[in-house]
Amino acid sequence: GAVVSQHPSRVICKSGTSVKIECRSLDFQATTMFWYRQFPKQSLMLMATSNEGSKATYEQGVEKDKFLINHASLTLSTLTVTSAHPEDSSFYICSAWRDGPDEQYFGPGTRLTVT
Amino acid sequence: AQSVTQPDIHITVSEGASLELRCNYSYGATPYLFWYVQSPGQGLQLLLKYFSGDTLVQGIKGFEAEFKRSQSSFNLRKPSVHWSDAAEYFCAVGKTSYDKVIFGPGTSLSVIP
Repeated sequence: GAVVSQHPSRVICKSGTSVKIECRSLDFQATTMFWYRQFPKQSLMLMATSNEGSKATYEQGVEKDKFLINHASLTLSTLTVTSAHPEDSSFYICSAWRDGPDEQYFGPGTRLTVT
Repeated sequence: AQSVTQPDIHITVSEGASLELRCNYSYGATPYLFWYVQSPGQGLQLLLKYFSGDTLVQGIKGFEAEFKRSQSSFNLRKPSVHWSDAAEYFCAVGKTSYDKVIFGPGTSLSVIP
């Protein structure tokens, strides 16, 4: 099946620093990718929709300047958490939509801990 | 507003027993409906989806789900649970297959031998 990878799988950073998370579709091209956030024991909350070559569409309440999304190629989208704070600690999951099977494929997630 | 509810936060079943996970949705039109499973350390995996047609949908790993428009429900079932089915299960709804997906709160399934 289609594979979506995320890197890193875990990251610890200090408060005030920025961290970049990569989402790659390994065996297909994805014009649309999605970024979700999941708190412990909770559901996934959509943060933004990332379209290749255009600006991301953010959900209401998500700070665009804090969560920078870049979808520079058909196989790579990045999420940069800028000036991270402890409350940004969470599990971040990306997905990529694949035409044909008409399905979203999810990455394994990235655990971010801000100290 | 679009929403998904999963009334059961946690369910425990014995291995070999049948399983039903409940899902109710609120949507303005006929939605695309999904069931995903999330195992620790693994990405979400699609179990099955419903767009139209036969309201009983067969999925992977022996799961099935039935769409009932009158009840706004899309319950997931499995006739005989295996220990490896222990995981978090999410029901989700979307406008299309490539649009954003709204997830329910999830149901945690434990399987006892």
